[in-house]
Amino acid sequence: QKEVEQDPGPLSVPEGAIVSLNCTYSNSAFQYFMWYRQYSRKGPELLMYTYSSGNKEDGRFTAQVDKSSKYISLFIRDSQPSDSATYLCAMSAKTNAGKSTFGDGTTLTVKP
Amino acid sequence: ETGVTQTPRHLVMGMTNKKSLKCEQHLGHNAMYWYKQSAKKPLELMFVYNFKEQTENNSVPSRFSPECPNSSHLFLHLHTLQPEDSALYLCASSQVAGGLTDTQYFGPGTRLTVL
Repeated sequence: QKEVEQDPGPLSVPEGAIVSLNCTYSNSAFQYFMWYRQYSRKGPELLMYTYSSGNKEDGRFTAQVDKSSKYISLFIRDSQPSDSATYLCAMSAKTNAGKSTFGDGTTLTVKP
Repeated sequence: ETGVTQTPRHLVMGMTNKKSLKCEQHLGHNAMYWYKQSAKKPLELMFVYNFKEQTENNSVPSRFSPECPNSSHLFLHLHTLQPEDSALYLCASSQVAGGLTDTQYFGPGTRLTVL
């Protein structure tokens, strides 16, 4: 069983839709959670990070962590065609010596 | 130059060739990483260097040989590769490997094709 499971996608939505991207994890030692966005033929870029349960908002993006359910989400409001990319969740624990464990990624297409 | 840079961006090599990938970070970080990203697979961590010392080798075949001469530069030397080694090779850096808030910053990657 993978430590991190990410909704596989692909996901296709119309412009302006609210998008929900989700990951579940099994390792209760994970304490630090990240979302990366990766455009085609580019390296991943860090979007958001958090290390507590609850919500963290940055513009149109909201990261949500529920440690009791071992579930994290990234919400994108008013989605734009420029949001079309692959989104990777990642998490780490002190016991991992800081190594991040990545999800497989969800590919999102936002259609104009 | 800012962030993490990688050269070359694209590389085609035969199975008997020897080539090297280069990574440079301009973020003042002390940890550097090599990842392999194949189609429809998650990122695979290959090597970790912390303060120039290799702290992780994730069972990588010996045909991949990393080198970290200082905290800003990282190389991946390649020799006698196999076609299944074709992938996007990503370099990343972070402040210190092992810290809880180990946020990694990635380079654009080298797209490697082995014929």
